[in-house]
Amino acid sequence: AQKITQTQPGMFVQEKEAVTLDCTYDTSDPSYGLFWYKQPSSGEMIFLIYQGSYDQQNATEGRYSLNFQKARKSANLVISASQLGDSAMYFCAMRVYGGSQGNLIFGKGTKLSVKP
Amino acid sequence: DAGITQSPRHKVTETGTPVTLRCHQTENHRYMYWYRQDPGHGLRLIHYSYGVKDTDKGEVSDGYSVSRSKTEDFLLTLESATSSQTSVYFCAISEVSGEQFFGPGTRLTVL
Repeated sequence: AQKITQTQPGMFVQEKEAVTLDCTYDTSDPSYGLFWYKQPSSGEMIFLIYQGSYDQQNATEGRYSLNFQKARKSANLVISASQLGDSAMYFCAMRVYGGSQGNLIFGKGTKLSVKP
Repeated sequence: DAGITQSPRHKVTETGTPVTLRCHQTENHRYMYWYRQDPGHGLRLIHYSYGVKDTDKGEVSDGYSVSRSKTEDFLLTLESATSSQTSVYFCAISEVSGEQFFGPGTRLTVL
């Protein structure tokens, strides 16, 4: 079965510090993509970063990086130099390319709170 | 930002009434999706479309139907709304690979 697990319902981080949000995934398909989305209190889903299963290097986008450990089936999001505006829900998601659906399978999310 | 709109943005209705939510895109993306978001569940797929008139069921499709008569429009219909369908509904679009872009969401309350 394909599944995304986020084990941290909520996390706190001090402003300007780095934080890691955990994500593990389960799939038997060799071709897949891993995504992180941010959902602020306003409700929109904001795409942050993408990692393909065949990518050799970890993805980075500004202050966001994805720590991809394929053997451990983990895709943790690292946010460097946290800002107050980073307070939000963060969702890890997976898209499997072997089937025809192409939909995202989401974890239940982690609520990040950045303290001043 | 990807051009995706959803209408209405908020709706309150009564149990047993039909409801239609509309998703409109200007990106000409092939795939369109309807998700619902509930506390403690993340987002779950209701239905999706991989082309005009090509649709299929997702994880939580019971009580919902969809239609896609044009590339740009994907409609979600609740034939007879129930309180368990109170949720936030998101439409998303994508190409064959890559990220999905989400609409702003529709908050539906069924009394």
